[in-house]
Amino acid sequence: QSALTQPPSASGSPGQSVTISCTGTSSDIGGYNYVSWYQQHPGKAPKLMIYEVSKRPSGVPDRFSGSKSGNTASLTVSGLQAEDEAEYYCSSFAGRYTLLFGGGTKVTVL
Amino acid sequence: QVQLVESGGNLVKPGGSLRLSCTASGFTFSDYFMAWIRQAPGKGPEWISYIGSSGNNMYYADSVKGRFTISRDNAKNSLYLQMNSLRAEDTATYYCARDLGTSVALYYWGQGTLVTVSS
Repeated sequence: QSALTQPPSASGSPGQSVTISCTGTSSDIGGYNYVSWYQQHPGKAPKLMIYEVSKRPSGVPDRFSGSKSGNTASLTVSGLQAEDEAEYYCSSFAGRYTLLFGGGTKVTVL
Repeated sequence: QVQLVESGGNLVKPGGSLRLSCTASGFTFSDYFMAWIRQAPGKGPEWISYIGSSGNNMYYADSVKGRFTISRDNAKNSLYLQMNSLRAEDTATYYCARDLGTSVALYYWGQGTLVTVSS
C-alpha cells in the first residue's frame, strides 16, 4: 500500500490555471475510476473537491476539474483565486475497500 | 446539517491503548460506510480503516492491521476506533469521515482529535 505520487508544489497567478498530477499504479488509479481530490487549508479538515475522477460535489466551483489517463490522474484549477491557495491531496480506491492518498501538493497563488 | 465530532485523543505511552469515538448527527448514520483517516504532522492523510453500514464488514490498512479495531453503534450514531500497542509513528490527528454514499469518496469529515504517542 504505497502512497500516490504528487509534486510537492505548484503555483500560478490569479486568473491563471494550475494542474496537479497524481501517479499511481494499475492496482489503484489505473484499475478503478474512483479517484478523489481533497483541498485542505491549514488547521482544517480536508474537503472533497472531486470524486470518481471528474465529478464535483454540490457547491464546488466548476473551476475545479479532474481527469485521468492510465495510472495518472490530474486536477486542474482554472481562474485561480486567492482562496484556492491550499494543500491538495489525491486519493484512489485500491481494491477491497482500501484507499490510498498522495503526499500532497501545495498550491501557491502568486 | 451533517456533523461529525471526534473525541478521545490524548497523550499515551508507547505500547499503550486508546479508544477514539466519533458522534454523528444530521444524517441517517446506519445508511453509510464510515472511515477513520489519520494525518501525521506535516504529512498527507493516511486511510486506516473502513466499516460497512451494518458494522459487519471492516477493512484496515496494513500499518494498523492487528492493532486497531473499528466498530460502530448505529443506535448511538457512533463510530469507534480501539487502538492497541500504540507506537510513536501512530502520532497524528485522527479524523472520522462519512462516505459519499454513492461512491468511494469521503464527503464529510470531523474536526479531528490529536493522538500523541510518546514516553
